[in-house]
Amino acid sequence: EDKVVQSPLSLVVHEGDTVTLNCSYEVTNFRSLLWYKQEKKAPTFLFMLTSSGIEKKSGRLSSILDKKELFSILNITATQTGDSAIYLCAVCDGNNRKLIWGLGTSLAVNP
Amino acid sequence: DVKVTQSSRYLVKRTGEKVFLECVQDMDHENMFWYRQDPGLGLRLIYFSYDVKMKEKGDIPEGYSVSREKKERFSLILESASTNQTSMYLCASSLIWGREETQYFGPGTRLLVL
Repeated sequence: EDKVVQSPLSLVVHEGDTVTLNCSYEVTNFRSLLWYKQEKKAPTFLFMLTSSGIEKKSGRLSSILDKKELFSILNITATQTGDSAIYLCAVCDGNNRKLIWGLGTSLAVNP
Repeated sequence: DVKVTQSSRYLVKRTGEKVFLECVQDMDHENMFWYRQDPGLGLRLIYFSYDVKMKEKGDIPEGYSVSREKKERFSLILESASTNQTSMYLCASSLIWGREETQYFGPGTRLLVL
């Protein structure tokens, strides 16, 4: 059965810390991997990754995919309280248009 | 910017009522999705649609139906609401399969069934 596993489930850090969130997957027909941020509302899109080793970057956030080892990481440097959210990882299944979702990592950034 | 709107942010219904949740997107997206989100269970796909009048079952379709009469509008119907359908319902859309699969979400509807 296809699955996406995120770790850790939750994380508490202080402002200014750097965090690394992990997403591993077992999906038979991998097409792409997506990262979303969810605060107290709907998920908002961060990155889509399709190729190994190519870093995607947006401000203090960056992400990379390893298709050989079947995982992705999301890095957040110099964390701020506004980064507090649930970070969701999803893999697009090339067979059926669906996204397979992880359960998310809950990040709390304390001042 | 992609805009996905949902008809209600909060809804309270009684057991046995028929419930309609509406979703509209303004970016001419082909694909539309309905999810529910529950603590500890994550996002679960109820139904999706890749064209007008087309629908596909997701992972948990039981107790739900959908309608897509126009490209921009995708409705979720709870035929007879039950307390275990209390949840956050999220609608999403994506542009075109094979070219852009990123899903964009509406603000969500929190449904409470009493």
